Amino acid sequence: SQQGEEDPQALSIQEGENATMNCSYKTSINNLQWYRQNSGRGLVHLILIRSNEREKHSGRLRVTLDTSKKSSSLLITASRAADTASYFCATGAGGGADGLTFGKGTHLIIQP
Amino acid sequence: EPEVTQTPSHQVTQMGQEVILRCVPISNHLYFYWYRQILGQKVEFLVSFYNNEISEKSEIFDDQFSVERPDGSNFTLKIRSTKLEDSAMYFCASLIEYNEQFFGPGTRLTVL
Repeated sequence: SQQGEEDPQALSIQEGENATMNCSYKTSINNLQWYRQNSGRGLVHLILIRSNEREKHSGRLRVTLDTSKKSSSLLITASRAADTASYFCATGAGGGADGLTFGKGTHLIIQP
Repeated sequence: EPEVTQTPSHQVTQMGQEVILRCVPISNHLYFYWYRQILGQKVEFLVSFYNNEISEKSEIFDDQFSVERPDGSNFTLKIRSTKLEDSAMYFCASLIEYNEQFFGPGTRLTVL
């Protein structure tokens, strides 16, 4: 099965700095999605990148996808305290029937 | 903006009891999912549902679990005889084809 694995497991940076999180997976994918989860709360969809895309932007978020290396990165620019959360990548095979396979997540702490 | 809703937000039950977790997916979505997240662990796929039947299920989704779409709006997950290890956050999600899955806020199930 696809498997997203993020690194680092935890990241602590100062407010205003950029945060980069990486995700690796094992098998072919149709798309890769990034989600945010605040402690004990639900999953908020951030961005979806398809296998034929290499980079995608949404506000302060930038996602890259390298299918040859089976890896993706999420960059958050100009971080804010409110960005403190866990970030997960999730891979999908493409068909609607397929469940997403989540990684263990990166816990990001933004220090004011 | 349309969203996935789940009730209850927190369910406490005794071991061996049946529980039903409820979800209202986004109205024009076609695929529906249940995931769970044991405290401190990754989000795990349980089951996907399309056209009034199960499309795919994981190894976790054994005979103790069942799903149903009893009417045009609700999507339920039933656990027949709960075990201590069923304690987790349960997320419902829905999808309009080939796009991102939208997650509900989750139901925290505590089995005593």
